[in-house]
Amino acid sequence: DIVMTQSPDSLAVSLGERATINCNSSQSVLYSSNKKNYLAWYQQKPGQPLNLLIYWASTRKSGVPDRFRGSGSGADFTLTISSLQAEDVAVYYCQQYYSNSWTFGQGTKVEIK
Amino acid sequence: HPQLQESGPGLVKPSETLSLTCIVSGDSISSSGYYWGWIRQAPGKGLEWIGSISYSGSTYYSPSLKSRITISVDTSKNQFSLTLNSLTAADTAVYYCARHHYYFWSGYQNPVWFDPWGQGTLVTVSP
Repeated sequence: DIVMTQSPDSLAVSLGERATINCNSSQSVLYSSNKKNYLAWYQQKPGQPLNLLIYWASTRKSGVPDRFRGSGSGADFTLTISSLQAEDVAVYYCQQYYSNSWTFGQGTKVEIK
Repeated sequence: HPQLQESGPGLVKPSETLSLTCIVSGDSISSSGYYWGWIRQAPGKGLEWIGSISYSGSTYYSPSLKSRITISVDTSKNQFSLTLNSLTAADTAVYYCARHHYYFWSGYQNPVWFDPWGQGTLVTVSP
């Protein structure tokens, strides 16, 4: 299985400040023939279902605020929340879909400082 | 945007079999062409993909759980189900169902990300 490792496990950011979450895969998830990175990001707010934010490493799902930005390629990826809002308090997960044994990062908890 | 709802027992005994159903509304399992998946999250742990099924019954199973799981689809009821046998305490988790999108590439439907997800149902394995 491809192991997904996120860092940090948790972070506290002041309202309006930037939050940065890293995700590393144990092997590249960049598919050479189509130049796509097979990586998604999800948000899980307390008591709510998981919500897809980003796919193909950087494509925002329709309706996701543009303060959420996905970047990176190969085996190193980043989710950036450019200006943290109170409603962004949640746990964030990355997921690879390069292999047909889909795996997730352990999650990063984002809180307000 | 479809809605998914898991249903099943909240408490099962060790060595018994768990049966969960995911009822899909707002989308037709048989006509949409998507895959449909199960994912679980043990207390204090991360997300673990269990398996996925297409509307036609093609399945992908987690290698670590393959010997104990069966996923089936009932298009007449617009639902899909998970059966997990030989339960132990390690199977205690919140079980989620989700629509598993696909990407058509090189002549194949390749399952990719999960969206949307159900609310999840807690299953506790205890005597």
